[in-house]
Amino acid sequence: QSVLTQPPSVSGAPGQRVTVSCTGSSSNIEAGNDVHWYQQLPGTAPKLLIYGNRNRPSGVPDRFSGSKSATSASLAITGLQAEDEADYYCQSYDISLSGWVFGGGTKLTVI
Amino acid sequence: QITLKESGPTLVKPTQTLTLTCTFSGFSLSTSGVGVGWIRQSPGKALEWLTLIYWNDDKRYSPSLKSRLTITKDTSKNQVVLTLSNMDPVDTATYYCAHHIWSGNNFDYWGQGTLVTVSS
Repeated sequence: QSVLTQPPSVSGAPGQRVTVSCTGSSSNIEAGNDVHWYQQLPGTAPKLLIYGNRNRPSGVPDRFSGSKSATSASLAITGLQAEDEADYYCQSYDISLSGWVFGGGTKLTVI
Repeated sequence: QITLKESGPTLVKPTQTLTLTCTFSGFSLSTSGVGVGWIRQSPGKALEWLTLIYWNDDKRYSPSLKSRLTITKDTSKNQVVLTLSNMDPVDTATYYCAHHIWSGNNFDYWGQGTLVTVSS
């Protein structure tokens, strides 16, 4: 059971827009800690996709965007492409655990 | 260019102690704010943070594994070592090391990972 909650799967057709939600608690997201997103392509290591809630590292297409409210965070992917099929994980810091926590992951299928 | 690479045994027996080494380049663990963490992923499961060490030797451990984990660093060799004692088949996973900056609170560069299987 992961500390952060994500939907197990989402899907969309090429060109469409999908969102992935990430819900936490008063000791992580609701405490104001930043949310970060990772993309894990099949058989590869995770890659930082969004940091500090909404910032993209160099090289990440602007089709990927992040947002955060007081209680949750979201990853949006527009103009879906087949190459976006991957697992997506949110991550934050938990003050009660004094450590870093991940979501359970969301598998994106491009149908 | 920051790179990290994990090394160690691919197979360990139950009750044994696992020792993994993360060898990195492109940054120094003596630079203020820098850290290296370990994250694992059981087959088909989610990412799980294990431990992290900072430039100043501050060490953080996952509460659920704290009694079994040790992290150390050798700044001169650009290496971080993780030990996990009393291995069990549930510890079978791909173990990743990753670069971390204190102010960012994320893991911005990852190693390729190493799969460790626990079996007799």
